[in-house]
Amino acid sequence: DGGITQSPKYLFRKEGQNVTLSCEQNLNHDAMYWYRQDPGQGLRLIYYSQIVNDFQKGDIAEGYSVSREKKESFPLTVTSAQKNPTAFYLCASSGGVSTGELFFGEGSRLTVL
Amino acid sequence: AQSVTQLGSHVSVSEGALVLLRCNYSSSVPPYLFWYVQYPNQGLQLLLKYTSAATLVKGINGFEAEFKKSETSFHLTKPSAHMSDAAEYFCAVIRSSGNTPLVFGKGTRLSVIA
Repeated sequence: DGGITQSPKYLFRKEGQNVTLSCEQNLNHDAMYWYRQDPGQGLRLIYYSQIVNDFQKGDIAEGYSVSREKKESFPLTVTSAQKNPTAFYLCASSGGVSTGELFFGEGSRLTVL
Repeated sequence: AQSVTQLGSHVSVSEGALVLLRCNYSSSVPPYLFWYVQYPNQGLQLLLKYTSAATLVKGINGFEAEFKKSETSFHLTKPSAHMSDAAEYFCAVIRSSGNTPLVFGKGTRLSVIA
């Protein structure tokens, strides 16, 4: 079935460690996104990519990095520079940035110990 | 810049009662507006969207929303709540022109009481 696959679903890491969250889509979508979700704060955009080998910072990009080497893949690295990384991370894709119709993965919950 | 404000972080209704979740938008250009739903520990899924074709928009699971330009609102309603409607609901906005990503509100958690 077509969709977005995020892994791992749950992840624990020690302070000072980098961690990479995987996001793969088989919808043939050009645009992909990473959002961070915290209770009461809604979804905040970390990075998005409109095309392979190109990406733009969102509202809260500091402490995160991404790559878009393949159309179907958009991994997110949470670096040790991110001061408060414990959160629920959501990946999404769409046919284009201007459509507004996003398809979401089931999320990855990161806990920093 | 576009933004949406959802009034009420938590709404509680009885089963069978009217559901009303409020969303007001701010946009300097005609907006496209969306409602998404999120069930616990899952991603979001699209409920409905307004893209200027019709002001009353019908979505999945019996939900609908009406675009009111004079009130800058896009409230979500359902005539009769069901237990399965308990979830978090997000209003979102995007410019109808240009190439900027969707902006989400902070969400409203809907509880349905038996």
